[in-house]
Amino acid sequence: GQNIDQPTEMTATEGAIVQINCTYQTSGFNGLFWYQQHAGEAPTFLSYNVLDGLEEKGRFSSFLSRSKGYSYLLLKELQMKDSASYLCAVRDSNYQLIWGAGTKLIIKP
Amino acid sequence: IAGITQAPTSQILAAGRRMTLRCTQDMRHNAMYWYRQDLGLGLRLIHYSNTAGTTGKGEVPDGYSVSRANTDDFPLTLASAVPSQTSVYFCASSDDTAYNEQFFGPGTRLTVL
Repeated sequence: GQNIDQPTEMTATEGAIVQINCTYQTSGFNGLFWYQQHAGEAPTFLSYNVLDGLEEKGRFSSFLSRSKGYSYLLLKELQMKDSASYLCAVRDSNYQLIWGAGTKLIIKP
Repeated sequence: IAGITQAPTSQILAAGRRMTLRCTQDMRHNAMYWYRQDLGLGLRLIHYSNTAGTTGKGEVPDGYSVSRANTDDFPLTLASAVPSQTSVYFCASSDDTAYNEQFFGPGTRLTVL
């Protein structure tokens, strides 16, 4: 079966760095996405990886290792507004997105 | 309209009733999707449409139907609602770029009693 695993919840301090991991087992791989979802709102796109390595976009970076079925999202200089759920999704061989349950990130002052 | 709109925002429905959730996008995206999101579970694909006139079944299609008469609209119908269909429903769309980022509507919170 297809499976995406992420930690359920993480806590970090304002101004710090946090890494959210995602491991996956899917039928085929055509890219990995990270989305942010604030409580009661829709998911919004953060990043996309299809090749191994690190993609940096401002305070957010995303890493992919296809051989290990592993990705992480790195958030630097955490701000209170970063409190949200972070969703990992893999596009499978049918070009459909398979979603993890999300990681709820709590930022403390 | 800017992006994707969904209606209604929320709804309480008696079991056995028929309900249509509306979704409209103005980005001229070819592909559209319906997901449900339940606590502790990832987004699950209900139905999708790669282009106007075509639809396909996702992971959890039972009890739901869709149509795609034109590019902009993608309604989701529950023929006879059951309590297990209580969920938050998101409509999304994507274009034909290399990575096909999906854009989401604001969601419909549906409660079936």
